[in-house]
Amino acid sequence: AQKVTQAQTEISVVEKEDVTLDCVYETRDTTYYLFWYKQPPSGELVFLIRRNSFDEQNEISGRYSWNFQKSTSSFNFTITASQVVDSAVYFCALSRGSRLTFGEGTQLTVNP
Amino acid sequence: EAQVTQNPRYLITVTGKKLTVTCSQNMNHEYMSWYRQDPGLGLRQIYYSMNVEVTDKGDVPEGYKVSRKEKRNFPLILESPSPNQTSLYFCASSRGGVYNEQFFGPGTRLTVL
Repeated sequence: AQKVTQAQTEISVVEKEDVTLDCVYETRDTTYYLFWYKQPPSGELVFLIRRNSFDEQNEISGRYSWNFQKSTSSFNFTITASQVVDSAVYFCALSRGSRLTFGEGTQLTVNP
Repeated sequence: EAQVTQNPRYLITVTGKKLTVTCSQNMNHEYMSWYRQDPGLGLRQIYYSMNVEVTDKGDVPEGYKVSRKEKRNFPLILESPSPNQTSLYFCASSRGGVYNEQFFGPGTRLTVL
């Protein structure tokens, strides 16, 4: 079965703390893509990153970084020095064939 | 402005009354899909379309229909809505399929009484 699990339903941190959002996936495909999307309180879905199964390089974009490890089937997302504007629901997603499977989402609250 | 639009944004209806949620994109994307978002379940794919006249079921297609007669439009049809279809619905489009970034519409909040 192909599945995405975000075990952390809710995380609450204080501003400037670092926070890591976990994403574990299951797939039988050898070629696949992983994604992270952000859903702020306003409700829209915003693309953050795409990673293909052949590229295990970690990526950093400003305060955001992603750690892709095929050995543990994980694609974790870290926010460094969190800010109140980072408060949102974050979704991890896995491509499978012509379909896209999302995790349950992690609600991140950053308190001032 | 490149965008995906959905209408209506909010809808309250009653069981059994047919409804259509429209979705339109202006980016000439081949791939379009519908998702529903429910608390604790994330987003689940309802239907997708690889191109005009090509549609297929996602993970939760029961109770829904779609059509893709034009590249830009991908309406979602509920022939006989039931309360368990109360949800937040998102339309999305992308170039080439699920391997690329999905562009999402603003969402349609549907309540079926």
